[in-house]
Amino acid sequence: QSALTQPASVSGSPGQAITISCTGTSSDVGGYNYVSWYQQHPGKAPKLVISDVTNRPSGVSTRFSGSKSGNTASLTISGLQAEDEADYYCNSYTSSNIYVFGTGTKVTVL
Amino acid sequence: EVQLVQSGAEVKKPGESLKISCKGSGDSFTKYWIGWVRQMPGKGLEWMGIIHFADSDTRYSPSFQGQVTISADKSISTASLQWSSLRASDTAMYYCAGAVHGQSSWGYWGQGALVTVSS
Repeated sequence: QSALTQPASVSGSPGQAITISCTGTSSDVGGYNYVSWYQQHPGKAPKLVISDVTNRPSGVSTRFSGSKSGNTASLTISGLQAEDEADYYCNSYTSSNIYVFGTGTKVTVL
Repeated sequence: EVQLVQSGAEVKKPGESLKISCKGSGDSFTKYWIGWVRQMPGKGLEWMGIIHFADSDTRYSPSFQGQVTISADKSISTASLQWSSLRASDTAMYYCAGAVHGQSSWGYWGQGALVTVSS
């Protein structure tokens, strides 16, 4: 099971919107609406920010949103803030009944 | 909601065995899947495997099949990750994560356990 493909880095200025892509196959991202996204600050455990492609867990900022088209899922962070600077990982259920993470994206707030 | 607390950091020599744990509290553990995630220094997250607490249904990622053993003890609400013979390449941070059965997102995470394997 190969890792899902994400850009290594994305950057934006405060207040801007950025989008992180997550590309898989019809056996994972494209085959199920079971894509989730995780934020990880340095030295910390990951934190769920989007579940089931588009759902935002309680307590997560409304600036985070998710979508999916075909084999590619996306995470958009609008109104970028300094606290959003972190690593982001997508995750998908797969036809092998296991999960796979994306390669990870480092978000930098300029 | 469940809280996950992992055992502490470990320093081991190559060839030694190791078992690290993830204890749940605050909710019935039997309705959760518990997963183990490896993060090597400076690298990304990798699923090692998952276990359903209610019936011990266990699934391993292909890269970790045969390399580790995942188990669960319902009596003490604890999931474990075990190595029989450690290698230097097992040096990493290991996280346990929890997902409610029937859901696909991992909303609960342990604090992580750093395993260092060095001669």
